Parts: sequence; structure tokens; C-alpha cells
Amino acid sequence: DTAVSQTPKYLVTQMGNDKSIKCEQNLGHDTMYWYKQDSKKFLKIMFSYNNKELIINETVPNRFSPKSPDKAHLNLHINSLELGDSAVYFCASSQTRDYGYTFGSGTRLTVV
Amino acid sequence: QKEVEQNSGPLSVPEGAIASLNCTYSDRGSQSFFWYRQYSGKSPELIMSIYSNGDKEDGRFTAQLNKASQYVSLLIRDSQPSDSATYLCAVNRRDTGRRALTFGSGTRLQVQP
Repeated sequence: DTAVSQTPKYLVTQMGNDKSIKCEQNLGHDTMYWYKQDSKKFLKIMFSYNNKELIINETVPNRFSPKSPDKAHLNLHINSLELGDSAVYFCASSQTRDYGYTFGSGTRLTVV
Repeated sequence: QKEVEQNSGPLSVPEGAIASLNCTYSDRGSQSFFWYRQYSGKSPELIMSIYSNGDKEDGRFTAQLNKASQYVSLLIRDSQPSDSATYLCAVNRRDTGRRALTFGSGTRLQVQP
């Protein structure tokens, strides 16, 4: 039983395309996150949802749109993909802010 | 100034030695501190959390926190080649406007057999 699962694991697409990444957690956590990890391994918060409510929206191009249909799911849709969007995107969840996060296995996005 | 700073390494230690990983943070409001391990091509995995000044031990791992100096460290005793990975320091604050961990860029540890 995977605690936080992301699909797809790899995504190769052309510039200008629109793509989605899906995330599901079965831990019963109330908060979910999207992080972007660049080529230098730096993990940067993009969005956070608490019980389907957006609570963090960092400086991210509005081509990125998160959607949380319920507290167990958080999807990320990206419009008009650019070369600079190439990175590994991690979904994570936590029960409270004072506990560590559980990360999904990541989605490696390559824009060509 | 980065919010969370780590030496990128690599930190190379022989098998059986103590590896010492350090992290400084800029936000004095930070109250929760975490160490994650990330193997190449894998996701970050939580290994330690610490919330109050002093030491916290868990098996071969010891986390140390000094809020006055804004410094947190991780000691790995009896280092094994399987400990070779990137170690990420992360901090959080109890602030209603922000509920996400801020990560450092990680220190790469190499344990030589």
C-alpha cells in the first residue's frame, strides 16, 4: 500500500503542451503539498491545500493550477509547458504542520 | 540570504566514522526542524525531527538544535555505505500564514567502504 502515490512517474512532452500530474494519499492526512525540485536538488514549495482549501500559493506562474477534489487528492495541471518547467515534482502530505511530510515518489517532467 | 543553508558537500567519511551534517536557518520564528535523507532518483524520507534545544537520539542518528545560534545538526554514528545520500534540512514555523517546510539544498554524504 503506497502512502502517497503520484502518476505518472516520468513525463516527456513538447513545449507548449498541457499536462497533468495526479497525487493521492491514503494516510488520512489533512494537508497536501506540491514541491518542485530543480537540477540542484533544491526543493521549493509551490502550493499547499488543507482539507481542499488552498492555503499556500507561492510565486508560481499562473500556468500552474492545482486542484483538490477531496482531501485525499491533489492534482497539478500545467498549461503551455516551457523548457524551464523541466524538474522533478513531488507531492507530499502531513497531518499537522508540526510533523514531517510523507513524499510521493516524484514525477520527472522533461520538456523538449 | 537563503532561509536554510547547508554545505553542498560532498562530505566524505570512512565507514564506521561519525558523519556530522550542519544546517543554519535565518527565521528566528522557526520552531520545527527536520532531517530528510534522499537517495539519488528517490523521494525525500524523514529520518529525524526535533523541536526543542538540545540533543535527540534515534538509533545511530542524533539531531542537535541550538535556537540561539539558529543551528541544527545531524550526527550519524558508525556510518555505513548505505548512508551515502543527500541529507536535507527543513524548518517550519507556527505561523497562520505559512504552513510549509522550507528546505535547504542538501549535503551530499559519501561513506567510503
